Formats: sequence, C-alpha cells, structure tokens
Amino acid sequence: SQKIEQNSEALNIQEGKTATLTCNYTNYSPAYLQWYRQDPGRGPVFLLLIRENEKEKRKERLKVTFDTTLKQSLFHITASQPADSATYLCAPGRGGSGNTGKLIFGQGTTLQVKP
Amino acid sequence: KAGVTQTPRYLIKTRGQQVTLSCSPISGHRSVSWYQQTPGQGLQFLFEYFSETQRNKGNFPGRFSGRQFSNSRSEMNVSTLELGDSALYLCASSLDNRSLFYGYTFGSGTRLTVV
Repeated sequence: SQKIEQNSEALNIQEGKTATLTCNYTNYSPAYLQWYRQDPGRGPVFLLLIRENEKEKRKERLKVTFDTTLKQSLFHITASQPADSATYLCAPGRGGSGNTGKLIFGQGTTLQVKP
Repeated sequence: KAGVTQTPRYLIKTRGQQVTLSCSPISGHRSVSWYQQTPGQGLQFLFEYFSETQRNKGNFPGRFSGRQFSNSRSEMNVSTLELGDSALYLCASSLDNRSLFYGYTFGSGTRLTVV
C-alpha cells in the first residue's frame, strides 16, 4: 500500500539556521508533491508544489527538491525564525480526473525554532 | 477575498447521534474535498465533490456521506456517531478541477467531540 513517511520526531533548531525536513514515499508514483504548514487548531496552509519533472523549486526562504529515483522530497527553510515553528506536511498527488482532490498526507514533522 | 468557511467551529455530540458539518469554498472554486484529522491517523481523505458530483471517495464507512450544492457549498454528514469519530474535520477547496497544481485552500476545520 502507499506509504508517506516524514520525520516523526520534532526538529529543534536555532534561529538563523537552515531547517531540512524529509518526505519519503513508497509504492507510489506521484505526478507532483505539495508541502503545507499547519499551526495547532488550524487547517493546513499550502506552501509549495513541485512537479515530477522539476528538481527544485524556491519561494522566498523556502526550497523544495524532488527526487523521483530516491522517492524523496526535501523541504528547506533558510534563515529560520521562531515564527516558522509549526508542523509541516508533505502530500504527493497523482492528478488526473481519477485522482483529483485526493491527496495522501504524511504525518507531518513538527519544527521548533528557538530564538 | 474570503477564505474557506467551515461551520460550526466546535461541536459536541453523543454516541449514536448524527451530525452535519458545513463548508463554503472560496468563490470560484468548484472542487471541495473533506479530510478527517486525528493524532493517530493524521489527515485522511474522506471524499471530493465537483459540480455537485462525488468524484472520489476515501476508505470510510457508509456512515460518512456528503453532498455539494449548486453554489459549490458542501455538507458532510456522519450518522450513528462513534467515539472514534472525534476528530478535526477539514474542508478544502481548489480552483482547478483536473489537478491540484494550485494547491488546496483549507478551512479552519470543525472540531467534533463524541462523548
């Protein structure tokens, strides 16, 4: 069955450092992969999407890589700030009319940035 | 523009009762999906609606149902509530009906507690 794995342990880093979060998937061939941020008691917020034919994507301090051979995506936050503290979810998706609207989410990695 | 609106925000129900949750998507978004989030299982896909038709369904029992109206607003219903149905129920809307290249916009969710 399809499996999405993210670092289960919380990631604690110092302000200003780069945070790197990992998303691995098995038994799955996603056409794209999305990353979301979720704060306690709130719905996830879409951050970035990377397609299978893209190696890397950037948005401000965020960078996502997608390696379909390793079946892995890495999510980087550079110059991290305490406000970046949240749970980050990855969600590979297949697209296409048969799969629209259906994402499989990882369990999420909690990031804590200390001042 | 207004975001995805879910009502009510919190709900307490007794085992055996039924409940209806409401979701108003972003104006212009025609795809609405529902997810259940629990600490143990994470975010799990319930179903997706597009143009009043259910396009996809997750692996939940028939007690979980939904519908979409002509104005894209959606409701989900859970009948014969069980303690295990206690969760955060999230609604998400998206712009494109063929893929999620634009990402989901989630509501803040309805926190359902079954006692």
